Amino acid sequence: SAVISQKPSRDICQRGTSLTIQCQVDSQVTMMFWYRQQPGQSLTLIATANQGSEATYESGFVIDKFPISRPNLTFSTLTVSNMSPEDSSIYLCSATSGVDYTFGSGTRLTVV
Amino acid sequence: AQKVTQAQTEISVVEKEDVTLDCVYETRDTTYYLFWYKQPPSGELVFLIRRNSFDEQNEISGRYSWNFQKSTSSFNFTITASQVVDSAVYFCARRVDTGFQKLVFGTGTRLLVSP
Repeated sequence: SAVISQKPSRDICQRGTSLTIQCQVDSQVTMMFWYRQQPGQSLTLIATANQGSEATYESGFVIDKFPISRPNLTFSTLTVSNMSPEDSSIYLCSATSGVDYTFGSGTRLTVV
Repeated sequence: AQKVTQAQTEISVVEKEDVTLDCVYETRDTTYYLFWYKQPPSGELVFLIRRNSFDEQNEISGRYSWNFQKSTSSFNFTITASQVVDSAVYFCARRVDTGFQKLVFGTGTRLLVSP
């Protein structure tokens, strides 16, 4: 399976600022996904990152708040914009080229 | 909605007890994949097993075993002789086989194993 390097692993940010999370995969993958995991909750899909086109967002998530880039088949970024304390969560990226799904180690974000 | 339901929010056991985590899924697909992941306190997701809908054989891997029953849409996970290191949140998930083939997760079951 692919291996994903995700960074930063954690951050404490001021409200109103933005944070960009990066995921680098060690091999080319078809699809990349971004999930949010709020404290004590399950994983909720934010969007699917498509190479060469705009990301596809799930209901309740918008591009202005969570802009995503996927410039090539091994790399993607998620930006959490204009942060508020409600954005405090773990953010995880995932990648697949078929039936195996690999996850990054997560970014633990605290907004103060 | 093609949901994944994990009815057990939290389970507490004493070391060496056996424990079963339940997972029930909804699907309209004839072909689908199911998964189990473990999330220890450190936060990363650890892959445990993938099962496709054509393979209803139960699987055993060390202290772990899985019981897949299409007739009841269940994919339950049993840990035999639990250990403190098994303490984690366990997620069941299924692949949605339309569009981008995303994973949909259950709400998770927190397992606490005490010495």
